[in-house]
Amino acid sequence: AAGVIQSPRHLIKEKRETATLKCYPIPRHDTVYWYQQGPGQDPQFLISFYEKMQSDKGSIPDRFSAQQFSDYHSELNMSSLELGDSALYFCASSLRITLGTVAFFGQGTRLTVV
Amino acid sequence: SQQGEEDPQALSIQEGENATMNCSYKTSINNLQWYRQNSGRGLVHLILIRSNEREKHSGRLRVTLDTSKKSSSLLITASRAADTASYFCATNPRGSQGNLIFGKGTKLSVKP
Repeated sequence: AAGVIQSPRHLIKEKRETATLKCYPIPRHDTVYWYQQGPGQDPQFLISFYEKMQSDKGSIPDRFSAQQFSDYHSELNMSSLELGDSALYFCASSLRITLGTVAFFGQGTRLTVV
Repeated sequence: SQQGEEDPQALSIQEGENATMNCSYKTSINNLQWYRQNSGRGLVHLILIRSNEREKHSGRLRVTLDTSKKSSSLLITASRAADTASYFCATNPRGSQGNLIFGKGTKLSVKP
């Protein structure tokens, strides 16, 4: 079965550069979530989209923005990168939330800022 | 505020033993989920328990939920070396649109 696809799997950027992470949800899933997991940390919710509209917002820095496109894929844009942005970035997808809907996670993009 | 504080932070057991991990949270929830993560890899969904459920089983997994104490436990019975991973509880807060609030995780090591 198709899973959530994230690209790239690994990314190395320098401070102050920009990065774009891509997420392709499971077909027919209408909701996408982004999470950030720092080294040894728990995943932190950043932002979510439902039917191409922003749905929930978590601890996403102002330097980051995201959107969901007409084909339901999503991109997380990160500007003015800082060393502290080095983390594993996960995308997850699900069907529209009813009580008990499970989110399926991608393998993540490991971003290293040097 | 952070939800889903877990204990223990690390657990080391022998193959065949049972492993119990606990999770506490702070706000009202729609459901609580447990995920597994192998080192540096993706999060794999294990089991979901709704706020109106008290116990759920799936294979060697048993999850309990006590909403009065805002706590949950995950029991893995007859552990195997392949169960070695980090385990996270994640709550879906009431009123949210499905986003999850993760706990700090328990690092389980099962020795053969």
